[in-house]
Amino acid sequence: SAVISQKPSRDICQRGTSLTIQCQVDSQVTMMFWYRQQPGQSLTLIATANQGSEATYESGFVIDKFPISRPNLTFSTLTVSNMSPEDSSIYLCSVAGAVGQPQHFGDGTRLSIL
Amino acid sequence: TQLLEQSPQFLSIQEGENLTVYCNSSSVFSSLQWYRQEPGEGPVLLVTVVTGGEVKKLKRLTFQFGDARKDSSLHITAAQPGDTGLYLCAGGIQFYFGTGTSLTVIP
Repeated sequence: SAVISQKPSRDICQRGTSLTIQCQVDSQVTMMFWYRQQPGQSLTLIATANQGSEATYESGFVIDKFPISRPNLTFSTLTVSNMSPEDSSIYLCSVAGAVGQPQHFGDGTRLSIL
Repeated sequence: TQLLEQSPQFLSIQEGENLTVYCNSSSVFSSLQWYRQEPGEGPVLLVTVVTGGEVKKLKRLTFQFGDARKDSSLHITAAQPGDTGLYLCAGGIQFYFGTGTSLTVIP
């Protein structure tokens, strides 16, 4: 299975700043996703990162707040913009071979906003 | 939205006990996956069930897909502390995740 590296693993940020999270995969993958998770709770899909085009966002998430890039089949970034304490969460990147196939996850980025 | 409700939400048991976790929905799924997540890590795939009524075994873990493909269960026999974690079911084209079951196995 694919090996997924997420950076940073954790960060503490000031209110109003932005942070970019990187997701690097060791092989080309078709599908890449970004999730948000509160500790001990389930995952909420933020968006599907599309290679060479705009990401597809789920209800409640917008591009201005969570801009996503995917320049190729092995790399994606998620930016959390103009952060507030409500953005404190774990952000996870995942990949899949195709729609509906099982996913493989990175270890996540634990983000705290002061 | 295809909701996947898991029960129980929290479970704390003694080592050696058996347990069952349920994943229920009003929607039909072509397949369901079960994942386990440990603190500080991403979820790890345990199994995928595809056929209605299917039963899969992974050592002490038994997974079953409902006949109507709307529900699934995970049974753990003789639980061990290493089974501690967050168990998540997932399904659907949009990768909906269940509400999660946090399991703690006490030595």
